[in-house]
Amino acid sequence: QVQLVESGGGVVQRGGSLRLSCAASGFAFSTYAMQWVRQGPGKGLQWVAFISFEGSNKFYEQSVEGRFTISRDNSKNTLYLQMNSLRPDDTAIYYCADNLIRGPGTPVTVSS
Amino acid sequence: AIQLTQSPSSLSASVGDRVTITCRASQGIASALAWYQQKPGQAPKVLISDASTLESGVPSRFSGSGYGTDFTLTISSLQPEDFATYYCQQFDDNVLTFGGGTKVAIK
Repeated sequence: QVQLVESGGGVVQRGGSLRLSCAASGFAFSTYAMQWVRQGPGKGLQWVAFISFEGSNKFYEQSVEGRFTISRDNSKNTLYLQMNSLRPDDTAIYYCADNLIRGPGTPVTVSS
Repeated sequence: AIQLTQSPSSLSASVGDRVTITCRASQGIASALAWYQQKPGQAPKVLISDASTLESGVPSRFSGSGYGTDFTLTISSLQPEDFATYYCQQFDDNVLTFGGGTKVAIK
């Protein structure tokens, strides 16, 4: 059964950094593209970033381009999201996904 | 990016009612559509994937249909635990996109 467990969230000041992790199990992680999705307080779901199965192709939502970096370690079945220059509007619960959201998410709060 | 238009944005219904939510894609996505249920303070829960495949453990009163651009989520007999917000999501494209959500409230 597919399991995705996010971690690394927390409270950070404007301009700060966080690194999120997503531990994957129950499927052939190294053969799947992966994504990050977020949900701000009281808002809908928003795609954030994409990485191809081998890590060579990456795409970002426009508002995070240049600040966030998606990466993966297929030897550890783990997906990452390095978030720099954080802003209050980055406050959200962050979920990883293969094609679907399956984990509890990790909350990120950026204070001003 | 592929846009998903979900309707209605909210509805009021009674226990036992049949409820239908629609999701229209801006271009064809074959069967690459999922439906989620989300309750306050909880992560979204996948109900249906591949447009019509019921996830393990999801009650059979939930069903999905559609192909290409037009999709439907049906709850055949609404139960008290079904009052929640429902989202559609496409995974045909590298950029995942979501419908705006449908809040199902008690009439």
